[in-house]
Amino acid sequence: QKEVEQNSGPLSVPEGAIASLNCTYSDRGSQSFFWYRQYSGKSPELIMFIYSNGDKEDGRFTAQLNKASQYVSLLIRDSQPSDSATYLCAVIRDGYNKLIFGAGTRLAVHP
Amino acid sequence: DTAVSQTPKYLVTQMGNDKSIKCEQNLGHDTMYWYKQDSKKFLKIMFSYNNKELIINETVPNRFSPKSPDKAHLNLHINSLELGDSAVYFCASSQVRVWGNTIYFGEGSWLTVV
Repeated sequence: QKEVEQNSGPLSVPEGAIASLNCTYSDRGSQSFFWYRQYSGKSPELIMFIYSNGDKEDGRFTAQLNKASQYVSLLIRDSQPSDSATYLCAVIRDGYNKLIFGAGTRLAVHP
Repeated sequence: DTAVSQTPKYLVTQMGNDKSIKCEQNLGHDTMYWYKQDSKKFLKIMFSYNNKELIINETVPNRFSPKSPDKAHLNLHINSLELGDSAVYFCASSQVRVWGNTIYFGEGSWLTVV
């Protein structure tokens, strides 16, 4: 079992819709959770981090964390074609400072 | 100003050669990393240094040797390159604890072994 699992996609949504990206993790000791966006040929860039159960909103993005279910998600409201990228979920376990990534979900937002 | 810079950006070399990738960060961070992203886009940590001290060393062939002359620099030397080493190598940096902080990635070094 991979430590961080994501559906590889592609997830295709129409412009203006809500894109929902999901991630599960296997280690209950995981404490911090991150969403990175990576455009093709570019480096990953942080969108959001979350470490408490519940929702965290930043503009069009909402991260949701459910530690009991070992599940973290990212919602993108009013999706734009410029949101088309690969979204990487990452976790940090307690006591470590290494980021463990999932394989990423490719999102395609079509006009 | 580029926060995390790595050179070269592109590198094409033959099997068996030895090559180095250099990385520098001007963010004042204590911790630096090397990540490898393979052809399937899976991003995996290789090494991490904190104030020049190796703190994370994943299962990486010993042909890969990181060196940190100071906390602002982390270089990666690869001996006897193999076809499977072809990947994008990302340098990154952060503060000591990443609980809520950001790991900043460099632009990546595309290594192709032929």
